[in-house]
Amino acid sequence: TQLLEQSPQFLSIQEGENLTVYCNSSSVFSSLQWYRQEPGEGPVLLVTVVTGGEVKKLKRLTFQFGDARKDSSLHITAAQPGDTGLYLCARKGSSNTGKLIFGQGTTLQVKP
Amino acid sequence: KAGVTQTPRYLIKTRGQQVTLSCSPISGHRSVSWYQQTPGQGLQFLFEYFSETQRNKGNFPGRFSGRQFSNSRSEMNVSTLELGDSALYLCASSLTGGSNYGYTFGSGTRLTVV
Repeated sequence: TQLLEQSPQFLSIQEGENLTVYCNSSSVFSSLQWYRQEPGEGPVLLVTVVTGGEVKKLKRLTFQFGDARKDSSLHITAAQPGDTGLYLCARKGSSNTGKLIFGQGTTLQVKP
Repeated sequence: KAGVTQTPRYLIKTRGQQVTLSCSPISGHRSVSWYQQTPGQGLQFLFEYFSETQRNKGNFPGRFSGRQFSNSRSEMNVSTLELGDSALYLCASSLTGGSNYGYTFGSGTRLTVV
């Protein structure tokens, strides 16, 4: 089974701190998506990374896809309480379907 | 444009009953996927429908079923409910389901089985 392992599972930090969340697999994947989910809502797509070594920025969030396309990271600079939520990485189950395989998620709490 | 709409938002059922959940995808999207989210197992894929046909199925018992209508709206049904079926059920829609992009989730249906 081509699982995605996320770390850490839980993170509680103070406003203004930096953090990094990791998503790793033993298998190569063609692309990876990052989602953020707030309590009682569905996941919202943040970014898709496709090319090995790719770096994408979304305001204070920086996403990186490993050169070997087996891992990815999400770095948040100067975290704010509004960043609180569940961060999920996901890969496609196969090339031509809508199936996504998710990591277990990282629960982030940013305290004011 | 309207997002993915799931109804109802909350549902309480008794063990042994059955339940039907509904998902209306974004207009023009033909792929609808269903997921079960629990604290212990995370987000797990149930099945995907594309053009009224089930295209992919996850590792869930036959009590879980679904269908898609000609307007792309989808329903999932769970029969003979068990306590362990308590979860947030999410659907996601996309244009074709084969792309790297464009997966939009609904807000989910919170099912509690008592």
